[in-house]
Amino acid sequence: NAGVTQTPKFQVLKTGQSMTLQCAQDMNHEYMSWYRQDPGMGLRLIHYSVGAGITDQGEVPNGYNVSRSTTEDFPLRLLSAAPSQTSVYFCASSYNFATGGAEDEQYFGPGTRLTVT
Amino acid sequence: KQEVTQIPAALSVPEGENLVLNCSFTDSAIYNLQWFRQDPGKGLTSLLLIQSSQREQTSGRLNASLDKSSGRSTLYIAASQPGDSATYLCAVTYGNNRLAFGKGNQVVVIP
Repeated sequence: NAGVTQTPKFQVLKTGQSMTLQCAQDMNHEYMSWYRQDPGMGLRLIHYSVGAGITDQGEVPNGYNVSRSTTEDFPLRLLSAAPSQTSVYFCASSYNFATGGAEDEQYFGPGTRLTVT
Repeated sequence: KQEVTQIPAALSVPEGENLVLNCSFTDSAIYNLQWFRQDPGKGLTSLLLIQSSQREQTSGRLNASLDKSSGRSTLYIAASQPGDSATYLCAVTYGNNRLAFGKGNQVVVIP
């Protein structure tokens, strides 16, 4: 298994540009999520999905869109990039979520480092 | 809102000493607690998951305990090695599909 993969690894955008961060997993996980990690702020949840066709907002959703058309893929779209979106973005997945069992274990991708100038 | 705190934020220990990392959370109604390791510029690697019905979990030199009623977890790393130098993060699953992270314990093991 490749686990959770993310592309690209690095990206530089100009203010106002749009782009899509890709995330894929090959573990047949139902739950997928996107986080951003900023110095001094820790990891914050942007959006999450509990299965194909179902998405919901997390703690910091403004400026980001998601969709989940397949179990494997969960892309994150930046609609109009702003310098405040400069961050490291992580995608995570788990077989299930909030069951209290072993299938809740979260697996993370290697991250995408985004700079908006 | 669930708040997760990790103390100390940073620590250095000589090689061979045992490491003790603390994590506290404000809402005891959690589904599980997970410890991660993060190396500089890398993603998060899962170390241990303590399920809601468990009080501790062990893997090799790592042992993590969980006391839900007091809102605390402790990660013990026995006989630390320079390769253990990293940031350790704890996260709790709670509420409606929420995962809350602490800001991490940054560890340096001195050879």
